[in-house]
Amino acid sequence: DTAVSQTPKYLVTQMGNDKSIKCEQNLGHDTMYWYKQDSKKFLKIMFSYNNKELIINETVPNRFSPKSPDKAHLNLHINSLELGDSAVYFCASSQGTGVSNQPQHFGDGTRLSIL
Amino acid sequence: SQKIEQNSEALNIQEGKTATLTCNYTNYSPAYLQWYRQDPGRGPVFLLLIRENEKEKRKERLKVTFDTTLKQSLFHITASQPADSATYLCALGTRSSYKLIFGSGTRLLVRP
Repeated sequence: DTAVSQTPKYLVTQMGNDKSIKCEQNLGHDTMYWYKQDSKKFLKIMFSYNNKELIINETVPNRFSPKSPDKAHLNLHINSLELGDSAVYFCASSQGTGVSNQPQHFGDGTRLSIL
Repeated sequence: SQKIEQNSEALNIQEGKTATLTCNYTNYSPAYLQWYRQDPGRGPVFLLLIRENEKEKRKERLKVTFDTTLKQSLFHITASQPADSATYLCALGTRSSYKLIFGSGTRLLVRP
């Protein structure tokens, strides 16, 4: 059973389009995250939700909007895609309130390519 | 400015030897330090967590040390195997923040 699953695995689209990435976890965790991993492999936090409440909101263009319908799901919607948005986006989850003393469980990423 | 540095050059070792990876940080006061493994095309997988008041943590062939004076963590894999080949990421967390800050990782290659 996949613990943290993301869809789609690959996303190729044109500049200017709007797209969504979905994430679901079946671990019963209270906190979920979105990360961006660029070509230099740095993994940067974008957003985090704890029990559907936003607890981390990094300096990310407001074209990116997370949505958490329940604590097992965290989706990421991106408007007006730009070339610089090309990256791998990872979803993760952890137990508890999201304090950094908990291990995080990652999905296998969504590879977004903007043409 | 805050920095987390891992050796960007790949570490290439012979099977059976001990691999030692370094994570250095500046302008941080982490309360927790975590190590993850990432294989190509996959998400990071948690390996070990060490707290600021712990000097060393072990799990099977893995050992992590945390020196808050040197601002450094060392990650050791003893009796390394080709299956240990992957990128290893360190990540810092503080008491006051929900965030984990990741290093860029070090690629380990274990030759048979």
